[in-house]
Amino acid sequence: AQSVTQLGSHVSVSEGALVLLRCNYSSSVPPYLFWYVQYPNQGLQLLLKYTTGATLVKGINGFEAEFKKSETSFHLTKPSAHMSDAAEYFCAVSGGAAGNKLTFGGGTRVLVKP
Amino acid sequence: EPEVTQTPSHQVTQMGQEVILRCVPISNHLYFYWYRQILGQKVEFLVSFYNNEISEKSEIFDDQFSVERPDGSNFTLKIRSTKLEDSAMYFCASRDTSGSWDEQFFGPGTRLTVL
Repeated sequence: AQSVTQLGSHVSVSEGALVLLRCNYSSSVPPYLFWYVQYPNQGLQLLLKYTTGATLVKGINGFEAEFKKSETSFHLTKPSAHMSDAAEYFCAVSGGAAGNKLTFGGGTRVLVKP
Repeated sequence: EPEVTQTPSHQVTQMGQEVILRCVPISNHLYFYWYRQILGQKVEFLVSFYNNEISEKSEIFDDQFSVERPDGSNFTLKIRSTKLEDSAMYFCASRDTSGSWDEQFFGPGTRLTVL
């Protein structure tokens, strides 16, 4: 079984400040990890993913995440927040069987203050 | 750019009525999924579908739910007798390969309101 915990359902940052969204996972098999973003009235869009190899993963819109196996974490960061980053962010895990489902965390809503 | 589409965007129905939510996955994709998100809660997996059959389903996906790919392009979720607790946003997703490492592409969702 797999599970994901996102610490903090809401995060408020100032424009230009660091964005840090926390994600911890539990998986009995080597995990594949994803961050999705959801803008208002839109579907989920992939920001980045970790499969194998380099543990620091870069995604779209200046986001990156680091896979830390020892900490079972996959935190998402962006050095400088932009107003357009206001959205809800979901961490997800999959792995194991082919065609496997995604298991999502509870989501973190990001508010960017001018 | 290819995208997953869903109709309708919002569906209001009376408790006990049947609803069909429709999705058009990306055309060369082979794996299809339905997820739902009750307001304020996590996105939850409902069912995955491959080669015209269900490959996995969650505990939520009971006998009231069914899926179908009737014509090679649409992928539908039917709820036979809706309950108040079925009110949620329903997302369709598709993927072109079997690999769990690959991205699932999501549609914009259908908001189902059961009165």
